[in-house]
Amino acid sequence: DTGVSQNPRHKITKRGQNVTFRCDPISEHNRLYWYRQTLGQGPEFLTYFQNEAQLEKSRLLSDRFSAERPKGSFSTLEIQRTEQGDSAMYLCASSYDRQGYTFGSGTRLTVV
Amino acid sequence: AQRVTQPEKLLSVFKGAPVELKCNYSYSGSPELFWYVQYSRQRLQLLLRHISRESIKGFTADLNKGETSFHLKKPFAQEEDSAMYYCALSGRNTGNQFYFGTGTSLTVIP
Repeated sequence: DTGVSQNPRHKITKRGQNVTFRCDPISEHNRLYWYRQTLGQGPEFLTYFQNEAQLEKSRLLSDRFSAERPKGSFSTLEIQRTEQGDSAMYLCASSYDRQGYTFGSGTRLTVV
Repeated sequence: AQRVTQPEKLLSVFKGAPVELKCNYSYSGSPELFWYVQYSRQRLQLLLRHISRESIKGFTADLNKGETSFHLKKPFAQEEDSAMYYCALSGRNTGNQFYFGTGTSLTVIP
C-alpha cells in the first residue's frame, strides 16, 4: 500500500464541461475526506465518508458537485458544468477513525 | 465558530536560529490541534498532534488553552525545514472535518 492515490494529477477543462476525479485511500482506513485548496489558503472541507456512507457535506459543495464511495473503497468527485471558480487543488485524505489524516497528492483542476 | 489563524504568511530564519510558527485558534470546548507540513512538490503530511506530545524532527508544540495557541517551535532551524506549515483543528464541535489555517511558508537561509 503506497498511501492515498489520486488521479489524475492535473486536469485542464473548458468551462461548462464535466470532470471526475478519483481517490484510492489506504485500504485499512474507513474514513475518506475531500478538501479543496486554492492559492494562498489552507485546505477547506468538502465532504466526508465513513465506509460507503456520505455523512457530511460542506456548504461549499454546491449541487454541481457530487461524490461517491461505492463499496467503501475508492471515491469519485464529479463536478458538473465547471466554472472558472472551480479551479483549485482537490485533495483526498483518509484516516482510521479520528486519527490524523493521510493526504493524497491532489488533483489540480484548471478551468479555462 | 471554529477558526485557525496563522498570522505569518512568510517567515525566514537563518540556519541554526530558533524558529516559532504561530497558530491561534477559536473553539468552544476541548480541541485537538495538529501541525501539517508540505515540503516542495510533496503531499501534505502530519508533523505532530498535541495529544501525543511528541517531538518530531526537533519540532515541538504545546497547546496553551489560556492563550488559545498552539505554536510550533524548533530550537535550531535546518535548511531541510524549509516548507509550508499548516495548523489544523478538530474536535467534537467540528463534526468530522478539520479546520486549517492559511499556512506559513518557512524559509531557512543557509
